[in-house]
Amino acid sequence: QVQLVQSGAEVKKPGASVKVSCRASGYTFTTYNINWVRQAAGQGLEWMGWMNPKSGNTGYAQRFQGRVTITRDSSTSTAYMELNNLRPDDTAVYYCARGKSWLQPFDRWGQGTLVTVPS
Amino acid sequence: QSLLTQPPSVSGAPGRRVTISCTGSSSNIGAGYDVHWYQQLPGTAPTLLIYNNNNRPSGVPDRFSGSKSGSSASLAITGLQAEDEAVYYCQTYDDRLSGSRVFGGGTKVTVL
Repeated sequence: QVQLVQSGAEVKKPGASVKVSCRASGYTFTTYNINWVRQAAGQGLEWMGWMNPKSGNTGYAQRFQGRVTITRDSSTSTAYMELNNLRPDDTAVYYCARGKSWLQPFDRWGQGTLVTVPS
Repeated sequence: QSLLTQPPSVSGAPGRRVTISCTGSSSNIGAGYDVHWYQQLPGTAPTLLIYNNNNRPSGVPDRFSGSKSGSSASLAITGLQAEDEAVYYCQTYDDRLSGSRVFGGGTKVTVL
């Protein structure tokens, strides 16, 4: 069955970087885009960016431009999201989610990774 | 402030019908982009509930339905059940923000 399995919780200091992984299984990794979405406690969903695993093309939400990088390792069907210069308001659960194309829905989600940046 | 506006909460008695609105603009829903809906149960990741305005993925009960008109979309839940208590999000694409996918702020459905 299709699964997206994410890495474990992280605690980082302000100014540090975090890299969250998302390992895909049950389908051909290169046939679906991977998106990253985050959710602060008690808040809504916020889209951060996407990547086409086949081409390596990426796109990022304006507010994260310059601070986020999405990469992949096709040999292990794993996508990565790295967020730099962390601030306390980056404390959130980060989800990966796959979508067939840029207009298609996110039909499978990872379980989420809590990133905590204490103030 | 989200580009898609949803009511923060709706409620209904078991068996009743509730609707959730999702209001956008000419750069997203009004531009013709499809709307998708997600359900997020407490403490879990979101799951796809409705895609492309009015389609249900396999396994989603037909109590859930979606529609779209102009710059708005709606999610309806008929025959409300206790297990439907969750937060619901609409999502689409927005022209103005360079390839951005956008979510509504979410609506908490409470079963009375």
